Amino acid sequence: DTEVTQTPKHLVMGMTNKKSLKCEQHMGHRAMYWYKQKAKKPPELMFVYSYEKLSINESVPSRFSPECPNSSLLNLHLHALQPEDSALYLCASSQDGTVATNEKLFFGSGTQLSVL
Amino acid sequence: DQQVKQNSPSLSVQEGRISILNCDYTNSMFDYFLWYKKYPAEGPTFLISISSIKDKNEDGRFTVFLNKSAKHLSLHIVPSQPGDSAVYFCAGRRDDKIIFGKGTRLHILP
Repeated sequence: DTEVTQTPKHLVMGMTNKKSLKCEQHMGHRAMYWYKQKAKKPPELMFVYSYEKLSINESVPSRFSPECPNSSLLNLHLHALQPEDSALYLCASSQDGTVATNEKLFFGSGTQLSVL
Repeated sequence: DQQVKQNSPSLSVQEGRISILNCDYTNSMFDYFLWYKKYPAEGPTFLISISSIKDKNEDGRFTVFLNKSAKHLSLHIVPSQPGDSAVYFCAGRRDDKIIFGKGTRLHILP
């Protein structure tokens, strides 16, 4: 299994809703990532989990809350989002605990989020 | 401030010819450069990388050239095939982060 699986593929939510994005990989990768990509912009790093511990938070607002229940799963909990948070949210994993030793990221197909 | 710049939003190339995608960077601390390819409704997939101590890396039809003095790299695809039509992201690695450019959409014309 060489896939990173993200669910749901599409999500529409109101500004008062609470929702979660899910990401799963079974490649035995030790690091998992959340990226955010807006139209015509580059993917921007949000969070990195290394060996199931949060190692990087790129000053992301607290309305985004990541969780790594185990080495195969990564969640992103969403609460009180703003319309400007509408974007493609990409999950990725890498073999080592950090891309500093292995530069290859494996991406999921993303969740297209719309906040109304 | 963008550390990785892809100044051409799109590029059209005839099938069988060479495709050249360009990328500039501002951060001298990048130690690896990468190219990712993205099809619609899919996540980016790793294509090829180059260490900052090299000036060329080749993998089949794909070759990446690095000019450190100019802070410029390019991806050459020879010969271009219809399946190469996609968005190509250039990226740089610094410490434990990978930073992407905006991407260039490549159209391969029949």
